[in-house]
Amino acid sequence: AIRLTQSPSSLSAFVGDRVTITCRASHNINRALAWYQQHPGKAPKLLIYDASRLQSGVPSRFSGSGSGTDFTLTIISLQPEDFASYFCQNFDSFPLTFGGGTKVEIK
Amino acid sequence: VQVVESGGELVKPGRSLRLSCVASGFTFDDHAMHWVRLPPGKGLEWVSGLSWNSRAIGYADSVKGRFTISRDNAQNSVYLQMNSLRLEDTAVYYCARGGRAAASWFDPWGQGTLVTVSS
Repeated sequence: AIRLTQSPSSLSAFVGDRVTITCRASHNINRALAWYQQHPGKAPKLLIYDASRLQSGVPSRFSGSGSGTDFTLTIISLQPEDFASYFCQNFDSFPLTFGGGTKVEIK
Repeated sequence: VQVVESGGELVKPGRSLRLSCVASGFTFDDHAMHWVRLPPGKGLEWVSGLSWNSRAIGYADSVKGRFTISRDNAQNSVYLQMNSLRLEDTAVYYCARGGRAAASWFDPWGQGTLVTVSS
């Protein structure tokens, strides 16, 4: 199975900050990567698919980049509603896998 | 577009449980469907998924041989039969719509159903 290593596991930031989360795959997955946001007690929400395509309805302050084994989720100008957990997901082939998650907290 | 899970409950180790998920608002047999779980205090774990015609099916190693996924396109439903349940199967189980390909991203997700395995 492809292993996804996500970093950092947690971070503290101010409203308005730029935040970058990375996801490294153990093998080349081309652009078969998605990013999700999850608030406590809520269902995950798709933010990015195909490594860099913004899901409809997701604010443009979210962006994704990368291909192969190294990927990045960037949030420019962090908003109060962005404090949540973020997960990357590989969909190259079964079994599908997730990164360990990044919890973004208010500083 | 939504998916709604049901069937989660408290169950003893070694017992079985069947989860159900009903979809609405989209053409069900155009999409793969998946189950993903969130154990308490841990991260998301993909459990199982199947293609629109059930020809492509996958399982996480942690559930292979114990869990079985199936779907009924006439009922817009997907199921997860869980046998030989273990303490570590305790989690919120989410049903999620996939893409046209069997391996895909997930959108949308249901609100989840809680499975608690405890003696």
